[in-house]
Amino acid sequence: EPEVTQTPSHQVTQMGQEVILRCVPISNHLYFYWYRQILGQKVEFLVSFYNNEISEKSEIFDDQFSVERPDGSNFTLKIRSTKLEDSAMYFCASSETAYSNQPQHFGDGTRLSIL
Amino acid sequence: GENVEQHPSTLSVQEGDSAVIKCTYSDSASNYFPWYKQELGKGPQLIIDIRSNVGEKKDQRIAVTLNKTAKHFSLHITETQPEDSAVYFCAAITIGGDAGKSTFGDGTTLTVKP
Repeated sequence: EPEVTQTPSHQVTQMGQEVILRCVPISNHLYFYWYRQILGQKVEFLVSFYNNEISEKSEIFDDQFSVERPDGSNFTLKIRSTKLEDSAMYFCASSETAYSNQPQHFGDGTRLSIL
Repeated sequence: GENVEQHPSTLSVQEGDSAVIKCTYSDSASNYFPWYKQELGKGPQLIIDIRSNVGEKKDQRIAVTLNKTAKHFSLHITETQPEDSAVYFCAAITIGGDAGKSTFGDGTTLTVKP
């Protein structure tokens, strides 16, 4: 079964540094998402992306965050100047369509640790 | 915005018993409700979903019910097995823009004792 793959599985970064998290969505999917899960807490929506632009974003997704689909396969999340509170699991997801009856498929996440 | 509440936060059952997890949502525009199972070190995996035009859906030992009027939906797992132990999240999809935004519940840690 096709999977969403995320790299790296664990990223350790100094506070203030830039970090890029990478995702390869399922190949025929058109809609892409990033979520964050702070340890022991619920999954929080960050951003959705379609047709090379952001469709929706949450309050968490401030100017420090950006997303990009640099080529036909990768979908990236960039945090420009990391803060301690950015430490979390970051999950990428993709779906074939954005209609409310289509499921999102999640990757296994990147654990981001800010020192 | 949408707000999803999930109960209980922890649930412990004996193998073979049933487990029920309940969620309520606030936004009447939400019309798609997936349930995810998250095992340690993994991403959420969809186990069942329901659309707002359906009241109940079943897939083997797992069922979901939806009450649109009351804005609540529930996950039912029958004949639980130790491998059902995981964190379960409900979510509600809010239609908006070109892509739906998921709002998750706080999660339920289910422990099935052998």
